[in-house]
Amino acid sequence: AQSVAQPEDQVNVAEGNPLTVKCTYSVSGNPYLFWYVQYPNRGLQFLLKYITGDNLVKGSYGFEAEFNKSQTSFHLKKPSALVSDSALYFCAWGVNRDDKIIFGKGTRLHILP
Amino acid sequence: DVKVTQSSRYLVKRTGEKVFLECVQDMDHENMFWYRQDPGLGLRLIYFSYDVKMKEKGDIPEGYSVSREKKERFSLILESASTNQTSMYLCASSPFGEGTEAFFGQGTRLTVV
Repeated sequence: AQSVAQPEDQVNVAEGNPLTVKCTYSVSGNPYLFWYVQYPNRGLQFLLKYITGDNLVKGSYGFEAEFNKSQTSFHLKKPSALVSDSALYFCAWGVNRDDKIIFGKGTRLHILP
Repeated sequence: DVKVTQSSRYLVKRTGEKVFLECVQDMDHENMFWYRQDPGLGLRLIYFSYDVKMKEKGDIPEGYSVSREKKERFSLILESASTNQTSMYLCASSPFGEGTEAFFGQGTRLTVV
């Protein structure tokens, strides 16, 4: 079945250190890939997406992600973590035959002060 | 700003009741979605609608139905609520087009007792 996988349920990073939240995909064709964030008691917010073109995508709040076709990955990164980045992060995918967006299971990111 | 409004933040219903969850978007989006969010399972797509009166089943449609009589409104119906439908329900909308991101409502936490 086509899907995205987030191999880590939780990631802990010290404030100021770089952070990475991992996502790999198993989708045929040319997928669209997304990252969303969910802060406590709030709805999901869109961070960034890859459709085509430049493999490095920049998004909101200083986040970026790199599309790597050979490794089928779309990891989310930030050079210097903030305590306020602590949240639940979801990777998601879509394909161009319809507009459905399918989500991974999520990774909880804890930034330690 | 895009606004997706879900009619209730919290609902408590009894087993066997018919439950309606309402969602309204104000950006004239073609696509609307219903997901449920459960810890460790991420977001799972229940139903998707790409136009008025049009719908597609998602990954977990059993026990649910939907209605889209107007473009801005997408209702999720639990025909006979069961305790295993206790969850957070998230509505989203997106415009038609390749790789368009979805905008989410605040969610409805439904408890079935």
